[in-house]
Amino acid sequence: AQSVTQLDSQVPVFEEAPVELRCNYSSSVSVYLFWYVQYPNQGLQLLLKYLSGSTLVKGINGFEAEFNKSQTSFHLRKPSVHISDTAEYFCAVSDGAGKSTFGDGTTLTVKP
Amino acid sequence: DGGITQSPKYLFRKEGQNVTLSCEQNLNHDAMYWYRQDPGQGLRLIYYSQIVNDFQKGDIAEGYSVSREKKESFPLTVTSAQKNPTAFYLCASSIRNNEQFFGPGTRLTVL
Repeated sequence: AQSVTQLDSQVPVFEEAPVELRCNYSSSVSVYLFWYVQYPNQGLQLLLKYLSGSTLVKGINGFEAEFNKSQTSFHLRKPSVHISDTAEYFCAVSDGAGKSTFGDGTTLTVKP
Repeated sequence: DGGITQSPKYLFRKEGQNVTLSCEQNLNHDAMYWYRQDPGQGLRLIYYSQIVNDFQKGDIAEGYSVSREKKESFPLTVTSAQKNPTAFYLCASSIRNNEQFFGPGTRLTVL
């Protein structure tokens, strides 16, 4: 069985400040990890993914995440946020059998 | 352009009626998925299919049914047995083990 815990349900931050959205996972097998973003009343879009290789993964819109196997974490970071980054962010883990489990989401609110 | 389409965007249903949500993809992906999203919650898997003519129940399959007769299509039927069907429904497709591509969603409201 696999599970995902997003440690913060809401993260308010001022524009141009750095941000970290935290994600821990559990799985009994090798994992593939993803971060998605969802804007209101829309589907999800992929920000970045970790399948193998380098543990530091860079994605779109200046986001990056680091896979930490010993701490079973995959935290999302951005050094300087913009108003347009305000959205819901989801961490997800795939078990390699085609099924993904999503976290409950973190609402990022960027204030001017 | 390649992608996933869901229709309709908004759907209203009377209690006791079955309703079918459409999902079509032209990405040539083998796997397709249906999720339910409720306010303040993450995505919960209803059904998924990894190949034509085969599908598996997800975590909340009760009250729902699917078919996968064509690679491009994975319709979801919300039956009258689903006790609380009002939600935002998302369809996705993927190449096995890789990221999922999502449609724009269908918001179902039971009147």
